[in-house]
Amino acid sequence: GNSVTQMEGPVTLSEEAFLTINCTYTATGYPSLFWYVQYPGEGLQLLLKATKADDKGSNKGFEATYRKETTSFHLEKGSVQVSDSAVYFCALSENSWGKLQFGAGTQVVVTP
Amino acid sequence: EAQVTQNPRYLITVTGKKLTVTCSQNMNHEYMSWYRQDPGLGLRQIYYSMNVEVTDKGDVPEGYKVSRKEKRNFPLILESPSPNQTSLYFCASSLGGFGTEAFFGQGTRLTVV
Repeated sequence: GNSVTQMEGPVTLSEEAFLTINCTYTATGYPSLFWYVQYPGEGLQLLLKATKADDKGSNKGFEATYRKETTSFHLEKGSVQVSDSAVYFCALSENSWGKLQFGAGTQVVVTP
Repeated sequence: EAQVTQNPRYLITVTGKKLTVTCSQNMNHEYMSWYRQDPGLGLRQIYYSMNVEVTDKGDVPEGYKVSRKEKRNFPLILESPSPNQTSLYFCASSLGGFGTEAFFGQGTRLTVV
C-alpha cells in the first residue's frame, strides 16, 4: 500500500535559519504530493502541492520539488521566522476523490 | 467565508455513552471525510463520502459510523465510545479531482474515560 515517511521531530531552529524537512513516499501509481501545516490549536491547511514529476510547489517562502526518481518531496525554507512554528505534514493522494495518506508529522520550533 | 465547522471543539465522555460530532461545510463540496490524529501516526482516514448517501470505510473505521443525508453535513457517530477512541478528530472537505486541496475543520479533541 501507499505510505509517507517524514523525518521525526521536533526540529528546533533559530530565527533566520534554513529549514529542511525530508519526506519520502511509496505509491503504486503517480500521486499528487502535498505539504500541510498545522498551527497550534488549529486545523490543517494546505501549504503547497505538486501534481507531477519535477513540479515545484511554493508558498510563503517554502518550496518542495516532486522527485519521482527518489520518491521524495522535501520541504525547504531559506529563512524561518518564529511564526513558522507549527507541525508540518507531508501527504499524498492517488485518486480523484482526494483521499490523503499522511506522514507522522514534524514539529518545528523556531526560537527568537 | 469558506469554512468547515466542527462541533464540539472539546468533549469528555464516559465509556459506552453514544456521541455525535457534527461537521458542516459551506463550499458545496462533494467529497467529505473524517480523520483521527494520534501522536506518531499522523492523520488516518476513518470514513469518507463522495456524495449524498454515498459513504465508505477508510483505513480505521472500527467503532465509528457516519451518515450523509445532506451535501453540507457529515456527522461522525460513536455508538459506544471506548478509551482507545481518545484522539483529535478532523473533518475535511474537497471539491474532488486529481490534486484537489482538502479543507479542514478546527478539530475535536475527544477524551473517553
